[in-house]
Amino acid sequence: AQKITQTQPGMFVQEKEAVTLDCTYDTSDQSYGLFWYKQPSSGEMIFLIYQGSYDEQNATEGRYSLNFQKARKSANLVISASQLGDSAMYFCAMRGPWGAGSYQLTFGKGTKLSVIP
Amino acid sequence: NAGVTQTPKFQVLKTGQSMTLQCAQDMNHNSMYWYRQDPGMGLRLIYYSASEGTTDKGEVPNGYNVSRLNKREFSLRLESAAPSQTSVYFCASSVTDRNNEKLFFGSGTQLSVL
Repeated sequence: AQKITQTQPGMFVQEKEAVTLDCTYDTSDQSYGLFWYKQPSSGEMIFLIYQGSYDEQNATEGRYSLNFQKARKSANLVISASQLGDSAMYFCAMRGPWGAGSYQLTFGKGTKLSVIP
Repeated sequence: NAGVTQTPKFQVLKTGQSMTLQCAQDMNHNSMYWYRQDPGMGLRLIYYSASEGTTDKGEVPNGYNVSRLNKREFSLRLESAAPSQTSVYFCASSVTDRNNEKLFFGSGTQLSVL
């Protein structure tokens, strides 16, 4: 069984500063994928970034980067130069081995990020 | 570009009533999913459909049924709603492509069961 743990229920960051949101995972699979999604107060789920278990380099998407430490089973999200619009819930999620074209994601409970002007 | 469209956006039911949540995607995706989100929780998978004509149970299927009507549409039915089914429901879809790892979500349905 897969498990995602996000230990920070809430985080504050000053505008323009960088922030790291923690995510640890547990799986016995060798092949898996890790995702981060953003959920603003409007409720939609917005894809941010993806890291495959066999990817050797950390994923980056604009101001978002994923600090992937496979041995420690962690996949922390780093947001650089925080903006007020980054205030939202952030969810870490994991899928198991790729197969049958399905992405059954297991989600963590989320971290609420608040950006302070 | 519509993406994943869910209807309705809001619904209030009385215990025992039935209803169907509709979902359609216009991205030609093979796989579709229904998740629920409860306060303080992440999303939990109810049912999914890897391809047209197939459906499978997820983590929390009890009390729900699904229909993959065609490649575009995947509906979720509550036959006899219970207060425990008060939640936000998300439909999602994905491509069958190892090189395009992404789940696209609808905007959600807020369901309250009284």
